[in-house]
Amino acid sequence: GQQVMQIPQYQHVQEGEDFTTYCNSSTTLSNIQWYKQRPGGHPVFLIQLVKSGEVKKQKRLTFQFGEAKKNSSLHITATQTTDVGTYFCATFSGGYNKLIFGAGTRLAVHP
Amino acid sequence: EAGVAQSPRYKIIEKRQSVAFWCNPISGHATLYWYQQILGQGPKLLIQFQNNGVVDDSQLPKDRFSAERLKGVDSTLKIQPAKLEDSAVYLCASSLDLASSYEQYFGPGTRLTVT
Repeated sequence: GQQVMQIPQYQHVQEGEDFTTYCNSSTTLSNIQWYKQRPGGHPVFLIQLVKSGEVKKQKRLTFQFGEAKKNSSLHITATQTTDVGTYFCATFSGGYNKLIFGAGTRLAVHP
Repeated sequence: EAGVAQSPRYKIIEKRQSVAFWCNPISGHATLYWYQQILGQGPKLLIQFQNNGVVDDSQLPKDRFSAERLKGVDSTLKIQPAKLEDSAVYLCASSLDLASSYEQYFGPGTRLTVT
């Protein structure tokens, strides 16, 4: 079935620095969703990408879907302490909205 | 709009005991999911319901796990007997329908510790 690999597993940055996490697959993906999970919290949906080469922005967050639809990235500009958490990419496997999550990238932001 | 509700929030049991978790999805959401999230990993889908029917339970350890959604609203997930490796957060999520265009809304989860 579908699998997505995320890198890096962990990253710590100084507040104000940029951050990027990558999601890769060996097969073509139908779409990609990104979720954020705060420490001790539950995953919260951020965005869905479906089109080849698609780029979407949410304030300081930029999401991109690769041209071949085998990779995606999430970039945060000028991180803030509120950005702390684990960022998961997820993709659909099978025909029934079955989400397969990556292992996540844990972001720590030092003030 | 009220979110997905789960109870209990925390549970500690000994191995070989049984435990049950309850989930109330967002009103009007036809699709309900149970995920298992082991520390340091992403959520793993255990079972997926569409109304009161099972759509996918391929990753549910059926020898010890069971789940039901009798009236197409609330759902319970049961583990009997529990093993040490069942220690995890059990997340319930719901979405309007099956189509992939609908986002999933997660509840706060139940943190299970098996000793």
